[in-house]
Amino acid sequence: EAGVTQSPTHLIKTRGQQATLRCSPISGHTSVYWYQQALGLGLQFLLWYDEGEERNRGNFPPRFSGRQFPNYSSELNVNALELEDSALYLCASSPGRHTEAFFGQGTRLTVV
Amino acid sequence: TQLLEQSPQFLSIQEGENLTVYCNSSSVFSSLQWYRQEPGEGPVLLVTVVTGGEVKKLKRLTFQFGDARKDSSLHITAAQPGDTGLYLCAGSTSGTYKYIFGTGTRLKVLA
Repeated sequence: EAGVTQSPTHLIKTRGQQATLRCSPISGHTSVYWYQQALGLGLQFLLWYDEGEERNRGNFPPRFSGRQFPNYSSELNVNALELEDSALYLCASSPGRHTEAFFGQGTRLTVV
Repeated sequence: TQLLEQSPQFLSIQEGENLTVYCNSSSVFSSLQWYRQEPGEGPVLLVTVVTGGEVKKLKRLTFQFGDARKDSSLHITAAQPGDTGLYLCAGSTSGTYKYIFGTGTRLKVLA
């Protein structure tokens, strides 16, 4: 069974640009979570999608947004990139609400 | 607000030693998970605990969920260099709909 896949694995952008990160959950999983992990820090909750709807978001500005598609894959968009947005962005999926999450390998975003 | 506090933050020990990592909260969790993350990788699920007082063993790792489901511990016996990594607890409280992670414990086991 394929795990959670994220693309791209690495992304380099300049300040002010937009970044789009993609996530394919494990087959059958309807919930997708996005997290930001800055270097040396813990995981910060960004967004939670379930059944195609945004269910909750963390304390991030509106330029962080996303969506979940009918096939449950998800996209994270970051507009007007800032240097401090450089981080590992992790996507996780779970078969339902509040259950354990399975993570992808992450997308390393570098803003220069 | 960080609901899950882990201690210690950093731990450097010699191979063969035992250690315990704690995960504490003032909130009740419906279930709690432990993950290990290696640099540049996503966290990998180790275990899920659901019932208050539950104890689960995974080889040399023993996980315990507090009776009140507000805290958990991870005990490693005879640590090995391969145990090196960032250990994270995570879970969600009723009604928050956020799956949150603890502050993390960075473990280094020296050969």
